Amino acid sequence: NAGVTQTPKFQVLKTGQSMTLQCAQDMNHNSMYWYRQDPGMGLRLIYYSASEGTTDKGEVPNGYNVSRLNKREFSLRLESAAPSQTSVYFCASTTGPLRGTEAFFGQGTRLTVV
Amino acid sequence: SQQGEEDPQALSIQEGENATMNCSYKTSINNLQWYRQNSGRGLVHLILIRSNEREKHSGRLRVTLDTSKKSSSLLITASRAADTASYFCATTGNQFYFGTGTSLTVIP
Repeated sequence: NAGVTQTPKFQVLKTGQSMTLQCAQDMNHNSMYWYRQDPGMGLRLIYYSASEGTTDKGEVPNGYNVSRLNKREFSLRLESAAPSQTSVYFCASTTGPLRGTEAFFGQGTRLTVV
Repeated sequence: SQQGEEDPQALSIQEGENATMNCSYKTSINNLQWYRQNSGRGLVHLILIRSNEREKHSGRLRVTLDTSKKSSSLLITASRAADTASYFCATTGNQFYFGTGTSLTVIP
């Protein structure tokens, strides 16, 4: 009963490097989300996928790309990491926001870009 | 920003006291939810209130919603040291947006 699993948990990148954050859920949820959390800023939505095969931008999409690989998996890619992308990244899933059900979160990926 | 905003940003109380946090939001919603985050962990769902409800209870939690003012409050009664965490409101319309959070410290 894993819920939402994120990998890796920690990562240090050099400026300009690329990486992909992985997220998988085993609850058969339709919608998946990527957030970043910075001190004093709360959680900001980067991208979301309302259903398999669709993705949309959130509040802060610049510098990121996403792939909804299948219903279970939603990855976030940083093509050329910048120090401003140092943050804690959370993946979440839900049956669907319009259905009014709770979101389940992964444990987060702490990313540092030097 | 479409985020909600919690008030206060930080709150420190003695164990046994009640803690009240407020959330204001900008857009029309289907429902509003409250989440808790312990340090270094992901968010955990606490309670959901639908847009046609005005008040909801769950254990020591009481949530109110005023859609005309676009605001909600979370009351934690008889607080415990274990309630120390950050609390976030989340609004769901077409997307799922979270507020900036209230950091609650309960002093034993």
